[in-house]
Amino acid sequence: TQLLEQSPQFLSIQEGENLTVYCNSSSVFSSLQWYRQEPGEGPVLLVTVVTGGEVKKLKRLTFQFGDARKDSSLHITAAQPGDTGLYLCAGGGSQGNLIFGKGTKLSVKP
Amino acid sequence: DVKVTQSSRYLVKRTGEKVFLECVQDMDHENMFWYRQDPGLGLRLIYFSYDVKMKEKGDIPEGYSVSREKKERFSLILESASTNQTSMYLCASSLWLALNPSSYEQYFGPGTRLTVT
Repeated sequence: TQLLEQSPQFLSIQEGENLTVYCNSSSVFSSLQWYRQEPGEGPVLLVTVVTGGEVKKLKRLTFQFGDARKDSSLHITAAQPGDTGLYLCAGGGSQGNLIFGKGTKLSVKP
Repeated sequence: DVKVTQSSRYLVKRTGEKVFLECVQDMDHENMFWYRQDPGLGLRLIYFSYDVKMKEKGDIPEGYSVSREKKERFSLILESASTNQTSMYLCASSLWLALNPSSYEQYFGPGTRLTVT
Protein backbone atom coordinates (compact mmCIF):
# COMPACT_ATOMS: atom_id res chain seq x y z
CA THR A 1 0.00 0.00 0.00
CA GLN A 2 1.37 3.37 -0.99
CA LEU A 3 1.30 5.92 1.82
CA LEU A 4 2.44 9.51 2.06
CA GLU A 5 3.35 10.94 5.45
CA GLN A 6 3.50 14.67 5.96
CA SER A 7 5.26 16.54 8.72
CA PRO A 8 4.76 18.55 10.71
CA GLN A 9 1.02 18.13 11.10
CA PHE A 10 0.61 21.69 12.41
CA LEU A 11 2.82 24.75 12.08
CA SER A 12 2.22 28.19 13.55
CA ILE A 13 4.73 30.91 12.71
CA GLN A 14 5.10 34.67 12.56
CA GLU A 15 5.00 36.65 9.35
CA GLY A 16 8.44 36.86 7.77
CA GLU A 17 9.70 33.49 9.02
CA ASN A 18 10.86 30.68 6.75
CA LEU A 19 9.48 27.15 6.96
CA THR A 20 9.77 23.73 5.40
CA VAL A 21 7.20 20.97 5.27
CA TYR A 22 7.97 17.40 4.31
CA CYS A 23 6.24 14.60 2.44
CA ASN A 24 7.75 11.13 2.76
CA SER A 25 7.02 7.65 1.51
CA SER A 26 8.64 4.24 1.28
CA SER A 27 7.24 3.95 -2.25
CA VAL A 28 8.49 5.44 -5.48
CA PHE A 29 6.12 7.81 -7.25
CA SER A 30 6.20 8.80 -10.90
CA SER A 31 5.19 12.30 -9.86
CA LEU A 32 4.15 14.24 -6.79
CA GLN A 33 1.85 17.19 -6.50
CA TRP A 34 1.37 19.86 -3.89
CA TYR A 35 -2.00 21.44 -3.21
CA ARG A 36 -3.11 24.25 -0.91
CA GLN A 37 -6.55 24.25 0.64
CA GLU A 38 -8.12 27.24 2.36
CA PRO A 39 -10.84 26.74 4.98
CA GLY A 40 -14.18 25.83 3.43
CA GLU A 41 -12.75 25.46 -0.06
CA GLY A 42 -11.41 22.68 -2.27
CA PRO A 43 -7.66 22.04 -2.71
CA VAL A 44 -5.92 24.03 -5.44
CA LEU A 45 -3.00 22.56 -7.37
CA LEU A 46 0.28 24.41 -6.79
CA VAL A 47 2.85 22.30 -8.63
CA THR A 48 3.74 18.90 -10.06
CA VAL A 49 7.27 17.51 -9.74
CA VAL A 50 8.30 14.66 -11.97
CA THR A 51 12.06 14.15 -12.15
CA GLY A 52 14.15 12.96 -9.23
CA GLY A 53 16.06 15.92 -7.77
CA GLU A 54 13.82 18.42 -9.52
CA VAL A 55 13.38 21.85 -7.95
CA LYS A 56 10.50 24.15 -8.88
CA LYS A 57 9.86 27.67 -7.66
CA LEU A 58 6.58 29.49 -7.41
CA LYS A 59 7.34 33.00 -6.11
CA ARG A 60 8.33 32.43 -2.45
CA LEU A 61 7.56 28.71 -2.55
CA THR A 62 10.26 26.18 -3.48
CA PHE A 63 9.35 22.56 -4.15
CA GLN A 64 11.87 19.74 -4.32
CA PHE A 65 11.44 16.12 -5.38
CA GLY A 66 13.85 13.66 -3.80
CA ASP A 67 16.46 11.95 -5.93
CA ALA A 68 14.80 8.58 -5.39
CA ARG A 69 11.31 10.03 -6.04
CA LYS A 70 10.09 8.88 -2.63
CA ASP A 71 9.90 12.23 -0.89
CA SER A 72 9.33 15.91 -1.46
CA SER A 73 9.62 19.16 0.44
CA LEU A 74 8.00 22.56 0.28
CA HIS A 75 9.97 25.56 1.53
CA ILE A 76 8.32 28.94 2.03
CA THR A 77 10.50 32.01 2.35
CA ALA A 78 9.30 35.03 4.33
CA ALA A 79 5.86 33.59 5.02
CA GLN A 80 2.86 35.90 4.82
CA PRO A 81 -0.62 35.59 6.34
CA GLY A 82 -1.94 34.78 2.86
CA ASP A 83 0.09 31.56 2.95
CA THR A 84 -2.16 30.24 5.72
CA GLY A 85 -3.89 27.01 4.76
CA LEU A 86 -3.65 23.25 4.58
CA TYR A 87 -0.81 21.99 2.38
CA LEU A 88 -1.34 18.57 0.87
CA CYS A 89 1.08 16.41 -1.04
CA ALA A 90 -0.23 13.72 -3.38
CA GLY A 91 1.32 11.00 -5.50
CA GLY A 92 0.03 9.05 -8.46
CA GLY A 93 -1.57 5.71 -7.60
CA SER A 94 -1.60 2.58 -9.69
CA GLN A 95 -5.11 3.21 -11.08
CA GLY A 96 -4.67 6.80 -12.18
CA ASN A 97 -5.96 8.03 -8.84
CA LEU A 98 -4.08 10.17 -6.32
CA ILE A 99 -2.82 9.17 -2.90
CA PHE A 100 -2.92 12.09 -0.50
CA GLY A 101 -0.96 12.80 2.62
CA LYS A 102 -2.97 14.05 5.60
CA GLY A 103 -1.60 17.54 5.21
CA THR A 104 0.25 20.24 7.11
CA LYS A 105 -1.91 22.97 8.58
CA LEU A 106 0.00 26.23 8.40
CA SER A 107 -0.94 29.38 10.28
CA VAL A 108 1.01 32.56 9.63
CA LYS A 109 0.33 35.30 12.17
CA PRO A 110 0.78 38.97 11.28
CA ASP B 1 -9.54 27.87 -16.30
CA VAL B 2 -10.87 24.50 -15.24
CA LYS B 3 -14.10 24.85 -13.40
CA VAL B 4 -15.60 22.19 -11.18
CA THR B 5 -18.90 23.05 -9.56
CA GLN B 6 -20.82 21.25 -6.87
CA SER B 7 -24.55 21.53 -6.44
CA SER B 8 -24.57 22.78 -2.85
CA ARG B 9 -22.04 24.33 -0.48
CA TYR B 10 -24.00 23.33 2.62
CA LEU B 11 -26.59 20.62 3.08
CA VAL B 12 -28.48 19.37 6.12
CA LYS B 13 -30.30 16.06 5.88
CA ARG B 14 -32.02 13.68 8.26
CA THR B 15 -30.95 10.13 9.01
CA GLY B 16 -32.39 7.71 6.47
CA GLU B 17 -32.90 10.26 3.70
CA LYS B 18 -31.57 9.65 0.21
CA VAL B 19 -29.01 12.32 -0.66
CA PHE B 20 -27.74 13.36 -4.07
CA LEU B 21 -24.54 15.36 -4.48
CA GLU B 22 -23.88 16.59 -7.98
CA CYS B 23 -20.62 17.62 -9.59
CA VAL B 24 -20.12 19.21 -13.00
CA GLN B 25 -16.84 19.98 -14.78
CA ASP B 26 -16.49 22.08 -17.90
CA MET B 27 -13.08 20.94 -19.22
CA ASP B 28 -14.02 17.70 -20.96
CA HIS B 29 -11.99 15.68 -18.42
CA GLU B 30 -12.29 11.92 -18.61
CA ASN B 31 -11.66 11.22 -14.92
CA MET B 32 -13.85 12.28 -12.05
CA PHE B 33 -13.51 11.56 -8.34
CA TRP B 34 -15.46 11.82 -5.11
CA TYR B 35 -13.67 12.24 -1.77
CA ARG B 36 -14.70 12.90 1.76
CA GLN B 37 -12.51 14.93 4.09
CA ASP B 38 -12.57 14.57 7.86
CA PRO B 39 -10.27 16.10 10.49
CA GLY B 40 -7.38 13.80 11.27
CA LEU B 41 -8.27 11.39 8.45
CA GLY B 42 -7.41 13.52 5.45
CA LEU B 43 -8.92 13.04 2.01
CA ARG B 44 -10.37 9.60 1.41
CA LEU B 45 -11.44 8.38 -2.00
CA ILE B 46 -15.01 7.11 -2.22
CA TYR B 47 -15.50 6.38 -5.92
CA PHE B 48 -13.98 7.41 -9.21
CA SER B 49 -14.86 7.13 -12.86
CA TYR B 50 -12.74 6.94 -16.00
CA ASP B 51 -15.52 7.34 -18.49
CA VAL B 52 -19.24 7.63 -18.92
CA LYS B 53 -21.11 4.80 -17.20
CA MET B 54 -17.89 3.49 -15.68
CA LYS B 55 -17.12 3.51 -11.98
CA GLU B 56 -14.47 2.16 -9.67
CA LYS B 57 -14.58 1.76 -5.90
CA GLY B 58 -12.17 3.81 -3.90
CA ASP B 59 -11.05 3.22 -0.34
CA ILE B 60 -14.38 3.78 1.41
CA PRO B 61 -17.32 3.00 -0.94
CA GLU B 62 -19.63 1.48 1.68
CA GLY B 63 -22.89 3.38 2.02
CA TYR B 64 -22.37 5.29 -1.23
CA SER B 65 -23.10 4.82 -4.91
CA VAL B 66 -22.32 6.94 -7.97
CA SER B 67 -23.72 7.72 -11.38
CA ARG B 68 -22.01 9.05 -14.48
CA GLU B 69 -24.50 9.32 -17.33
CA LYS B 70 -22.72 12.23 -19.04
CA LYS B 71 -19.02 12.96 -19.29
CA GLU B 72 -19.25 16.28 -17.47
CA ARG B 73 -21.42 15.13 -14.57
CA PHE B 74 -20.64 12.78 -11.69
CA SER B 75 -23.17 12.23 -8.94
CA LEU B 76 -22.63 10.79 -5.47
CA ILE B 77 -25.61 9.12 -3.84
CA LEU B 78 -26.10 8.34 -0.19
CA GLU B 79 -28.84 5.71 -0.30
CA SER B 80 -29.79 6.10 3.36
CA ALA B 81 -27.87 8.87 5.08
CA SER B 82 -26.38 8.18 8.49
CA THR B 83 -24.78 10.49 11.03
CA ASN B 84 -21.34 9.03 10.34
CA GLN B 85 -21.62 10.40 6.81
CA THR B 86 -21.49 13.95 8.12
CA SER B 87 -18.44 15.31 6.35
CA MET B 88 -16.99 17.61 3.72
CA TYR B 89 -17.47 16.07 0.27
CA LEU B 90 -15.11 17.07 -2.52
CA CYS B 91 -15.41 16.35 -6.22
CA ALA B 92 -12.43 16.50 -8.58
CA SER B 93 -11.66 15.91 -12.23
CA SER B 94 -8.54 15.22 -14.29
CA LEU B 95 -7.49 14.57 -17.86
CA TRP B 96 -6.41 11.17 -18.98
CA LEU B 97 -3.08 11.32 -20.82
CA ALA B 98 -1.41 7.93 -20.95
CA LEU B 99 2.01 7.90 -19.30
CA ASN B 100 1.82 11.63 -18.64
CA PRO B 101 2.32 12.92 -15.09
CA SER B 102 -0.18 15.68 -15.81
CA SER B 103 -2.84 12.97 -15.77
CA TYR B 104 -2.65 12.98 -12.02
CA GLU B 105 -3.34 16.70 -11.65
CA GLN B 106 -6.77 17.02 -10.15
CA TYR B 107 -9.02 20.04 -10.12
CA PHE B 108 -11.39 20.30 -7.20
CA GLY B 109 -14.78 21.81 -6.65
CA PRO B 110 -15.47 24.03 -3.62
CA GLY B 111 -16.89 21.16 -1.59
CA THR B 112 -20.24 20.34 -0.01
CA ARG B 113 -20.41 20.34 3.76
CA LEU B 114 -23.05 17.73 4.58
CA THR B 115 -24.57 17.41 8.02
CA VAL B 116 -26.77 14.42 8.78
CA THR B 117 -28.90 14.78 11.91
